[in-house]
Amino acid sequence: DVKVTQSSRYLVKRTGEKVFLECVQDMDHENMFWYRQDPGLGLRLIYFSYDVKMKEKGDIPEGYSVSREKKERFSLILESASTNQTSMYLCATLPLSGNQPQHFGDGTRLSIL
Amino acid sequence: QKEVEQDPGPLSVPEGAIVSLNCTYSNSAFQYFMWYRQYSRKGPELLMYTYSSGNKEDGRFTAQVDKSSKYISLFIRDSQPSDSATYLCAFLHTDKLIFGTGTRLQVFP
Repeated sequence: DVKVTQSSRYLVKRTGEKVFLECVQDMDHENMFWYRQDPGLGLRLIYFSYDVKMKEKGDIPEGYSVSREKKERFSLILESASTNQTSMYLCATLPLSGNQPQHFGDGTRLSIL
Repeated sequence: QKEVEQDPGPLSVPEGAIVSLNCTYSNSAFQYFMWYRQYSRKGPELLMYTYSSGNKEDGRFTAQVDKSSKYISLFIRDSQPSDSATYLCAFLHTDKLIFGTGTRLQVFP
């Protein structure tokens, strides 16, 4: 069974902190994605990765970076957290063939104070 | 114009009702059409997906795609309180998914 695991369900950090969100998958999928989900705005793509050490900007990459050192792990980094980055963050995976559904983790609800 | 339009709701219906959820889209290059269900405090889970115009049925759920009108629907028959969730339409385009904002559905007993 497909499993996408996000390390924290709830996280509270302070403005200016560097924040790491971790995502691990056990399906050997090549593609991994980070989204944020906000009321009225839906899911917005931050960054995605097609392979180890590869990354592509999504629609809203500003203030974020990512790291993909191993195929199964995709990290989202908030370089200097700001209050407007308070959100639900969702990680997802997709196999290389593409024409299959994405599998999501349960999300990390991040609050920046 | 947004690529995907979806009414955010909330939509409140009595148990047993037929529910109709809809999305319109503007990009004719979209390849796959999907519906995700998201319960509170959980990630989205795939409900149904299809790539062609027409209807696809799975139990109480029917997904309908009209490519000529750029319109997709999800019908839920005999709705149950356990169907209460947010429903997101999604479209696959060049290895990325484009999501609607989601419609919140509440089915009351």
